[in-house]
Amino acid sequence: GQQVMQIPQYQHVQEGEDFTTYCNSSTTLSNIQWYKQRPGGHPVFLIQLVKSGEVKKQKRLTFQFGEAKKNSSLHITATQTTDVGTYFCAGLGGGGADGLTFGKGTHLIIQP
Amino acid sequence: EAQVTQNPRYLITVTGKKLTVTCSQNMNHEYMSWYRQDPGLGLRQIYYSMNVEVTDKGDVPEGYKVSRKEKRNFPLILESPSPNQTSLYFCASSPLGSLTDTQYFGPGTRLTVL
Repeated sequence: GQQVMQIPQYQHVQEGEDFTTYCNSSTTLSNIQWYKQRPGGHPVFLIQLVKSGEVKKQKRLTFQFGEAKKNSSLHITATQTTDVGTYFCAGLGGGGADGLTFGKGTHLIIQP
Repeated sequence: EAQVTQNPRYLITVTGKKLTVTCSQNMNHEYMSWYRQDPGLGLRQIYYSMNVEVTDKGDVPEGYKVSRKEKRNFPLILESPSPNQTSLYFCASSPLGSLTDTQYFGPGTRLTVL
């Protein structure tokens, strides 16, 4: 079945440093979504990427979808303590027939 | 307020005692899904439903049942719970266009099976 690998599992940064998490799928994806989960909370949708090579920005967050639609990244510029949490990517298989497959997430820990 | 609700939020039970976790959404979404979240394993999909009376297995369906008799509700049933089903469970819903859209997650149900 479809697998979505996400790295790193943990990332410690100093406040103000940049952060990037990467996702790779074993198969071509129809789309990829990104979610953030604060400690003790539930996943909250951030964005969806659909087109090959797509780049979207939300303030300090930049999301990319690879040309082959098999990989994606989330980059946060100048992290703040409010960015703490776990970031998940989730891929929908080609043809839309499969359910959504989540990566295992990247835990972002920020040291003031 | 648009939301996904789950009940109960916390449950401690014993092996073999049937239980149901309810999920309800008030957004008229076609797509609903159940996930379990375990440390180091992330979110894994149990079952999903594209619409009423349409359900499909996700990645880890063993030991679970679901039903979708009406659009707003998608209960998760554990006929004979076992300790390896101790986990944090999330229900989610989304509108269904040509591609899966934003998923809205419920607050979670923390289940402990002794």
